[in-house]
Amino acid sequence: NAGVTQTPKFQVLKTGQSMTLQCAQDMNHEYMSWYRQDPGMGLRLIHYSVGAGITDQGEVPNGYNVSRSTTEDFPLRLLSAAPSQTSVYFCASRKQVGNQPQHFGDGTRLSIL
Amino acid sequence: DAKTTQPPSMDCAEGRAANLPCNHSTISGNEYVYWYRQIHSQGPQYIIHGLKNNETNEMASLIITEDRKSSTLILPHATLRDTAVYYCIVRGIQGAQKLVFGQGTRLTINP
Repeated sequence: NAGVTQTPKFQVLKTGQSMTLQCAQDMNHEYMSWYRQDPGMGLRLIHYSVGAGITDQGEVPNGYNVSRSTTEDFPLRLLSAAPSQTSVYFCASRKQVGNQPQHFGDGTRLSIL
Repeated sequence: DAKTTQPPSMDCAEGRAANLPCNHSTISGNEYVYWYRQIHSQGPQYIIHGLKNNETNEMASLIITEDRKSSTLILPHATLRDTAVYYCIVRGIQGAQKLVFGQGTRLTINP
């Protein structure tokens, strides 16, 4: 049981490049989400999904796309990277029902030059 | 979801119990108290959660006051590896999809 796995752990991009941050969980969790964490600003929700085929926007969705074709995977796509997207990105998952806690991955540290 | 208030920082000696307080005076009846921690550069780690009864697991104990307006996370025998930022979060079953991480308490365990 690996929990929530994020890849890559580090990435450097040039402005305008696109890339996909991968997130996979093996706990059969319905709910998955992406947060970004910037210094002094805490974690901010980018997008989330309550099940395969269902996604919704969080508080900072601009510049990011997501899809949920399977229960296990929830990739985050940067369409055209900008320096403002330099951040640490965390993926999380939990059972959708009840009071279950979220479990987080170890993060992807992304730098946009 | 109710707002929480935590002290910005605390110190504790290694081997002693670390008691981290959290105030959540506006908590409603169906909201749970969750505790997470974030060790530098790592993802937030779930510790424990509860509704109104005290809870204990292999990591910590959670003491919730009878009026549920405050709680205390107890690390019974703190080690250097417990140095982290600890977050107290209140969320209802039907609450917002996002977790609201406040500033938390920066706990430093001293040798």
